[in-house]
Amino acid sequence: AQRVTQPEKLLSVFKGAPVELKCNYSYSGSPELFWYVQYSRQRLQLLLRHISRESIKGFTADLNKGETSFHLKKPFAQEEDSAMYYCALGVGTGRDDKIIFGKGTRLHILP
Amino acid sequence: NAGVMQNPRHLVRRRGQEARLRCSPMKGHSHVYWYRQLPEEGLKFMVYLQKENIIDESGMPKERFSAEFPKEGPSILRIQQVVRGDSAAYFCASSAGSSYNSPLHFGNGTRLTVT
Repeated sequence: AQRVTQPEKLLSVFKGAPVELKCNYSYSGSPELFWYVQYSRQRLQLLLRHISRESIKGFTADLNKGETSFHLKKPFAQEEDSAMYYCALGVGTGRDDKIIFGKGTRLHILP
Repeated sequence: NAGVMQNPRHLVRRRGQEARLRCSPMKGHSHVYWYRQLPEEGLKFMVYLQKENIIDESGMPKERFSAEFPKEGPSILRIQQVVRGDSAAYFCASSAGSSYNSPLHFGNGTRLTVT
């Protein structure tokens, strides 16, 4: 079954502390993983995807196929990082691609 | 570019009525996805459409729900004979191509309340 699991509903971290948002997936094919973010009063938007191997706003995520994980990390949290974060899995074989989402983790950065 | 436009933002229907949710994708986008978000739940995939074609409707309830994306005009998600359990936020997203290479651009959602 195709599934994305984000075990934490809420994560509170002090400003300046490291952040790790957990994500595990289940998929028999070759996974495409994404992180989407929704800041207060804004639309859901793409933060990063594993295929790009990029760092956005200080965040990185490494795909670990052995552990079927794609955790989102940032070494030093900033107050503007407070938002809802969704891990997402791309499934399909081309024409019928779709993206399924986890339940999301609300990140709250404490001053 | 105004982005993905969804209307209405809020929709109230009585049990048994029909709900019509509209989504205008970003200019140049021909792929539309609908998601439902229930309280305490994540975004649940409902349907993926391209112009005049339903590509994947595996997430759509078998009855009362239908979706279309005509050659001209917005994509429509239609819920017939609504029940209280249909109350949720419905999000539309569009992309220029395959979702792997083209990120999803989301609308602000339509919040449906069934009384």
